[in-house]
Amino acid sequence: RKEVEQDPGPFNVPEGATVAFNCTYSNSASQSFFWYRQDCRKEPKLLMSVYSSGNEDGRFTAQLNRASQYISLLIRDSKLSDSATYLCAVLNSGAGSYQLTFGKGTKLSVIP
Amino acid sequence: DTGVSQDPRHKITKRGQNVTFRCDPISEHNRLYWYRQTLGQGPEFLTYFQNEAQLEKSRLLSDRFSAERPKGSFSTLEIQRTEQGDSAMYLCASSLANLGTQYFGPGTRLLVL
Repeated sequence: RKEVEQDPGPFNVPEGATVAFNCTYSNSASQSFFWYRQDCRKEPKLLMSVYSSGNEDGRFTAQLNRASQYISLLIRDSKLSDSATYLCAVLNSGAGSYQLTFGKGTKLSVIP
Repeated sequence: DTGVSQDPRHKITKRGQNVTFRCDPISEHNRLYWYRQTLGQGPEFLTYFQNEAQLEKSRLLSDRFSAERPKGSFSTLEIQRTEQGDSAMYLCASSLANLGTQYFGPGTRLLVL
């Protein structure tokens, strides 16, 4: 089982739709979780950190379920500009390691 | 621009040549990371520094790869005797030691012919 798994998509949704992505992780000792957004041929850009209590930033809501070892990202009222690949990342900072482990990403296309 | 910068942005080289990439982190960040990303994959960790000390290396970092951060500021990643399989985007990221959030530079896209 891969350390971090995501549905690669693509998710093709109309403007204004709500879309949700899930990401599962295998290391139960994982401590920090992030969603990054990556546009084609660009670097990953931090979208939001994911906190245990869940957190919201405008149209974006992130949730963490430690018991089931998954994180989710909900995008409401999708915009054309939301079209990108969304990468989930997990930080395992035990034993002095600070590497991020990424999923392969989920591609989102928002259609007019 | 006070973000992470990388140079060059693109590099085309012939198999067997050596290449060196540079990364300048966000100025107050003391941790610096190198990742590699190939098409259809997420970034994969290569190595990281805290100040000038290289504290972790991935098994992906073969003996042809070497990274330095001599003064705890910018870092270089060198690949010797490049192979076609080294073609990828090489990403640098930085963070503060007491926070986990890593910020990425624009990457260096390497093509080995």
